[in-house]
Amino acid sequence: QVQLVESGGGLVKPGGSLRLSCVASGFTFSDYYMSWIRQAPGKGLEWVSYISSSASNIYYADSVKGRFTISRDNAKNLLYLQMESLRADDTAVYYCARDPCRSTSCYYMDVWGKGTTVTVSS
Amino acid sequence: QTVVTQEPSFSVSPGGTVTLTCGLSSGSVSTSYYPSWYQQTPAQAPRTLIYSTNSRSSGVPDRFSGSILGNKAALTITGAQADDESDYYCVLYMGSGIWVFGGGTKLTVL
Repeated sequence: QVQLVESGGGLVKPGGSLRLSCVASGFTFSDYYMSWIRQAPGKGLEWVSYISSSASNIYYADSVKGRFTISRDNAKNLLYLQMESLRADDTAVYYCARDPCRSTSCYYMDVWGKGTTVTVSS
Repeated sequence: QTVVTQEPSFSVSPGGTVTLTCGLSSGSVSTSYYPSWYQQTPAQAPRTLIYSTNSRSSGVPDRFSGSILGNKAALTITGAQADDESDYYCVLYMGSGIWVFGGGTKLTVL
């Protein structure tokens, strides 16, 4: 069964750091491009970051560029999002999602995790 | 800054047909943006409905269809059912590894 499970969310003070993880199962993780998408409370979805299967291509939304770092450990089937200099407007549920094509992009997400909640507050 | 536009809300009668749209603040949406559509109910993860303009994701009923209508991407629900009441999001691929989601449409079935 293809599955993504996020973890690492929690309460953090403004200016703090947090690392999110997403463990993949049921498919060959190393073949697929992955994304992080977030959703602030009561708001819509916002694409955050994208990483190619080999991590050779990485992209960020302007809202997180310079503060967030996406990475992956293909040996452990893990996707990460390192978040620094967190602000109140980073408060959101963070989802990891898979791009369904192997070693390339199909330009959409076909499998989503259930999300992990990040709250930035003093 | 590119903004992807969606109707904030829409209502449809049970059994009726509704078309939700996805546009750009500047310019036209074409297949080159690979528009995709996602359904989300409260406190749930999004579910993929349509990708690459008009391809249905696995397990999605054929009453959901995607297209380009004029200068926008469109999601049409034919024969709306009560459990179609959800939030619907489109996302466009802008190139250079960047995606932009629309603000979402809250669909009410009543």
